[in-house]
Amino acid sequence: AQKVTQAQTEISVVEKEDVTLDCVYETRDTTYYLFWYKQPPSGELVFLIRRNSFDEQNEISGRYSWNFQKSTSSFNFTITASQVVDSAVYFCALSEALPGGGNEKLTFGTGTRLTIIP
Amino acid sequence: EAQVTQNPRYLITVTGKKLTVTCSQNMNHEYMSWYRQDPGLGLRQIYYSMNVEVTDKGDVPEGYKVSRKEKRNFPLILESPSPNQTSLYFCASAPQGPYGYTFGSGTRLTVV
Repeated sequence: AQKVTQAQTEISVVEKEDVTLDCVYETRDTTYYLFWYKQPPSGELVFLIRRNSFDEQNEISGRYSWNFQKSTSSFNFTITASQVVDSAVYFCALSEALPGGGNEKLTFGTGTRLTIIP
Repeated sequence: EAQVTQNPRYLITVTGKKLTVTCSQNMNHEYMSWYRQDPGLGLRQIYYSMNVEVTDKGDVPEGYKVSRKEKRNFPLILESPSPNQTSLYFCASAPQGPYGYTFGSGTRLTVV
């Protein structure tokens, strides 16, 4: 069965510090996809990134970067120079193949609540 | 604007009183799904649908029903709500392929 582990339940850092959110996954699929979603205090889920299992290149988007390592089954998320607006719950998720095809079932981790202290 | 719309945003109901949470998407997506979010448990899939008239159980389907009569709509039905169904519910849709879901704004349901 698919599993996503976010061991960090809550993290607090002072504004402008860098912070890394960990994500470890388990799957038997050879083709899979990993995602990060942000849930700000307003409650909606905001898509941040999708990465397929064949692409291990790190990705950077502004202050956000993602480190995908198949050897350790990890897909970690780093925020550089954190800001108060980064305060949110962050979910890592893994998609698995459905019986009828497609990869639309997302298995979520339990989330990491990030608080940026001004 | 491309979006998933679910209603209501907030709902307080009593045990046993049937309710429906509506979900509609305007992106012509094939896949739709319902998730519930509970503290410490993350989001868990309730039901999903791969297309019109095609639905299947997710991880926590007990106590819920769904239907997919039209491509754009995927209502969640609680025939006899119980307090353990108090939760934050999300509807989501996705195109065919591993693109990830677009989520609605959530429905916070309280069953007393």
